[in-house]
Order: sequence, then C-alpha cells, then structure tokens
Amino acid sequence: DAGVTQSPTHLIKTRGQQVTLRCSPKSGHDTVSWYQQALGQGPQFIFQYYEEEERQRGNFPDRFSGHQFPNYSSELNVNALLLGDSALYLCASSFSRAGNQPQHFGDGTRLSIL
Amino acid sequence: QQQVKQSPQSLIVQKGGISIINCAYENTAFDYFPWYQQFPGKGPALLIAIRPDVSEKKEGRFTISFNKSAKQFSLHIMDSQPGDSATYFCAASLSDNFNKFYFGSGTKLNVKP
Repeated sequence: DAGVTQSPTHLIKTRGQQVTLRCSPKSGHDTVSWYQQALGQGPQFIFQYYEEEERQRGNFPDRFSGHQFPNYSSELNVNALLLGDSALYLCASSFSRAGNQPQHFGDGTRLSIL
Repeated sequence: QQQVKQSPQSLIVQKGGISIINCAYENTAFDYFPWYQQFPGKGPALLIAIRPDVSEKKEGRFTISFNKSAKQFSLHIMDSQPGDSATYFCAASLSDNFNKFYFGSGTKLNVKP
C-alpha cells in the first residue's frame, strides 16, 4: 500500500519563474493538504483540496494556487517565485469521512530559489 | 498569532534517559493533538495522538500527557535511544475545520550513546 508520494524530490528555480509540484495521496484518501516548511520551522498550512475544490486556505498570497484531479491527486502551483519561497513543500492526505483523523505526509519537494 | 507554542527548541538526552517536550495551545476548541517525528530528508510521520477527553495516552515508550485546564500537552519518551534522534513536532486541529493542522516550531532531539 503506497503512502503519499510527491514529485519531484528537489527543484531549483530562479526568481520570477513558476513551479508546479505534484502529490498522489495515500490509497483510500480523498483529501489533500499542502504545507510549507521553512528550514528549522514547523509546517505552515497553505490550503486543502476536497472534491476538486479548495475548501480551506492559510495565510498565503494568491501566487500559491492548486488543483485536485478526479483521482484525488493534487498539484501546487507557485507563480512569480521569490527567494522567500525556498522551503520544503509537504503534501498530506486524509480521509474526509473519518472525522478528525491524522494526516499522512509525503517526504516533500525541496524547492530552492536562486 | 501562534496557535501552538513548543519548547524546548533543542534537547540533548543521554541514552536511557527521559525526553520531555512541551506544547501549549491557544484555541480551547482544538480537539485533536498529534505528535509527529521527522528525520532529515523525510516528511513528518505520526508518532502518537490524543483527544481532550483523556489525560494520558501511552504507546510503547511514548506517552502524551494532556492538561486541558492549562491548555498544555507534552510528549515523554522513556528509555530514549540514539535512534530517537529526530525533530519532533506537536500539532493541534479542530474537527469541524476540515482537519487543518497548526504545528509547533519543533524540537530537535539528540540522544547521546
């Protein structure tokens, strides 16, 4: 049973560019959340997708957008990259109908902005 | 406003000792409190979790103590081992808020052999 998988594992971009990160949730999960983890910090909630719609958003600008596909996989898009966007981006999945359940995390995408 | 505050930032413990990490939360409506363990280059992995209707939960060498009136909870690692060396995060969430998690800032634990 595959867990949460993310791609790519590492990515280097320059300021002003755009990036797309991908996530496949754990089998049986239908909800995907994205987090940003700066070096030495805890994960910060970006947004959550359920039934192909964004239903919760953290304190992140509109440069951060996402998408969820019918197979529950998800993408995180970041436009006009800034140096401060350098971080580990984590995807977490859960099952919506199981109440307050733990989120299962992938190993993340390390994004470096030059 | 930081919803979950975690301390200490780093911790050094001898092998066989007890590691204690503390967290305090703001929102009294939080109803789920997990602890995650993260190794370098890996994502956070669920270690143990508690709901506010119990004051303690134990799983092997790991115990969560929960104090609802003080809005605090802590992780105790008994008989700490070098393999426990990792960063630990506490978190809190609200079940009617679509499972949005608020994380503490993390504690880097180093267990010396």
